Amino acid sequence: SQTIHQWPATLVQPVGSPLSLECTVEGTSNPNLYWYRQAAGRGLQLLFYSVGIGQISSEVPQNLSASRPQDRQFILSSKKLLLSDSGFYLCAWTGQAAGELFFGEGSRLTVL
Amino acid sequence: DAKTTQPPSMDCAEGRAANLPCNHSTISGNEYVYWYRQIHSQGPQYIIHGLKNNETNEMASLIITEDRKSSTLILPHATLRDTAVYYCIVRVATWRNFGNEKLTFGTGTRLTIIP
Repeated sequence: SQTIHQWPATLVQPVGSPLSLECTVEGTSNPNLYWYRQAAGRGLQLLFYSVGIGQISSEVPQNLSASRPQDRQFILSSKKLLLSDSGFYLCAWTGQAAGELFFGEGSRLTVL
Repeated sequence: DAKTTQPPSMDCAEGRAANLPCNHSTISGNEYVYWYRQIHSQGPQYIIHGLKNNETNEMASLIITEDRKSSTLILPHATLRDTAVYYCIVRVATWRNFGNEKLTFGTGTRLTIIP
């Protein structure tokens, strides 16, 4: 069966420090991969999606970037974190039915 | 994608059926209704989706009105583990936008199951 993993689960970083969140999917090939962010008390915002290695689409201009170095690996990065980057970051991949997204456990980032 | 309206919160007694409503009065003919739920501090979990016929799976039932302007998610025998935020989403589901899942989750309904 397919599984998706994210790490780290929790991260506290100072303003201006770099960020790297990693997501891997197992049990499937050539998945569509996504990064979402959920601010406190708000809905999910799509940040990036990727349909293949090296193919990244950005939904909103921001202080973050994404990369897909391998078929089942998706990385979210920042060179210098801002306070507004705090939130709950979720990686997801699509199943066979369009619209059926499977999410990872999430990474909670606090920028101080 | 069409906008949805859900009540911000609901309570349901354990063991009873939980009925969560969703209004999507501007839904188009090719738009599906999806339901996800998010338990605190976890990623959202897919529950069910449908176009116009009622749907049922091992988790829930989805009842869509004949005019498709509203729907109800039914959890037949709610347990404490069903306490979560439930999101109703309406979107086009075609292969053309399969790689562009701009699912807008909104704020959903916070369902609390009471012992």
